[in-house]
Amino acid sequence: NAGVTQTPKFRILKIGQSMTLQCTQDMNHNYMYWYRQDPGMGLKLIYYSVGAGITDKGEVPNGYNVSRSTTEDFPLRLELAAPSQTSVYFCASSYGRDGGDTQYFGPGTRLTVL
Amino acid sequence: GQNIDQPTEMTATEGAIVQINCTYQTSGFNGLFWYQQHAGEAPTFLSYNVLDGLEEKGRFSSFLSRSKGYSYLLLKELQMKDSASYLCAVINSNYQLIWGAGTKLIIKP
Repeated sequence: NAGVTQTPKFRILKIGQSMTLQCTQDMNHNYMYWYRQDPGMGLKLIYYSVGAGITDKGEVPNGYNVSRSTTEDFPLRLELAAPSQTSVYFCASSYGRDGGDTQYFGPGTRLTVL
Repeated sequence: GQNIDQPTEMTATEGAIVQINCTYQTSGFNGLFWYQQHAGEAPTFLSYNVLDGLEEKGRFSSFLSRSKGYSYLLLKELQMKDSASYLCAVINSNYQLIWGAGTKLIIKP
């Protein structure tokens, strides 16, 4: 199993550009998450999904959109990139949401907006 | 608001023992995780506590006191590869995972 994979690993965007961060998991997990991690800060939840076709906002959703058309894929869309979106983005998945369900993380995408 | 507090940075010596504390104030409690994150890498699972007491797993142990809103991660026989950030995360009553900022642990020879 590859686990959780993310592409690209690195990206530099200009202000106002758009892009999609890809995330795929092959563990048949129901739950998927997008986080951002700023230097010296904890993980902030952007969006999450409890299954195909169902998504919900997390703590910091503004400026982002998601979709979940399949169990495996959970892309994150940035529209009109801003310097405040410079961060490391992690995708994660878990089998369930109840306590004790470990989240498995992808390797991250390092995004810089100039 | 919901808050998780951890020391920003700690330094310890190879072969020694270190305790990383985590205090939390959240809307409800459904469990607490510890994750390890090496620089430039993704977090990886270390431990999970939902009941009070100590959970031991090899060189790593995690303790929870729900009445005090307190947990610690104990690392024994420190190795250089233990140099990493250690993230405390709490599941609140809405089953949201609230993350602390992490404790950067520096191991010196």
